[in-house]
Amino acid sequence: DAGVIQSPRHEVTEMGQEVTLRCKPISGHDYLFWYRQTMMRGLELLIYFNNNVPIDDSGMPEDRFSAKMPNASFSTLKIQPSEPRDSAVYFCASSRGGQHFFGQGTRLTVV
Amino acid sequence: SQQGEEDPQALSIQEGENATMNCSYKTSINNLQWYRQNSGRGLVHLILIRSNEREKHSGRLRVTLDTSKKSSSLLITASRAADTASYFCATDENYGQNFVFGPGTRLSVLP
Repeated sequence: DAGVIQSPRHEVTEMGQEVTLRCKPISGHDYLFWYRQTMMRGLELLIYFNNNVPIDDSGMPEDRFSAKMPNASFSTLKIQPSEPRDSAVYFCASSRGGQHFFGQGTRLTVV
Repeated sequence: SQQGEEDPQALSIQEGENATMNCSYKTSINNLQWYRQNSGRGLVHLILIRSNEREKHSGRLRVTLDTSKKSSSLLITASRAADTASYFCATDENYGQNFVFGPGTRLSVLP
């Protein structure tokens, strides 16, 4: 298994632009998590899904952030419009309950 | 607020020495996990300890859990330069499916 796959690995965008981050979880995993990591705030849970259904999105910072999971093998995290303070590394993780398997992350820079 | 809080924030040791990191948490848990993150990479699961376990070993890793004190420790014996990384504890806050990560301990193992 290739593990959790995230794309792109790096994204540089201008303030105000829309950004879409993508994640392919490990096949058979029924939980998917989106995290954001910054030096100041550490690793923060943004939202998680169970069987493609959003369970807890209380960590989503504001309405500019949205996440979808149209099927068991794909999820997106969208930021629209993006702001410089959104610059961070965004991680996707999947699990069958318990141990998380993390992707390599997307480093987002908003200038 | 953070569920898991690692201590110390940073630790620097010589190769061959043992490294001990501590984690404190606030709520009841089913299990506690430790993860490692190498610079620029995703988190990698190291070990899981359940709430009814007191100690667990995996290779050079030893984890203890004291639920009465709501604390855990991770011991890495005979450290190597390759152990240089950040180490995070994660707990299933209030028996939830999502895990709350602490701010991490940055371990530097000097050759």
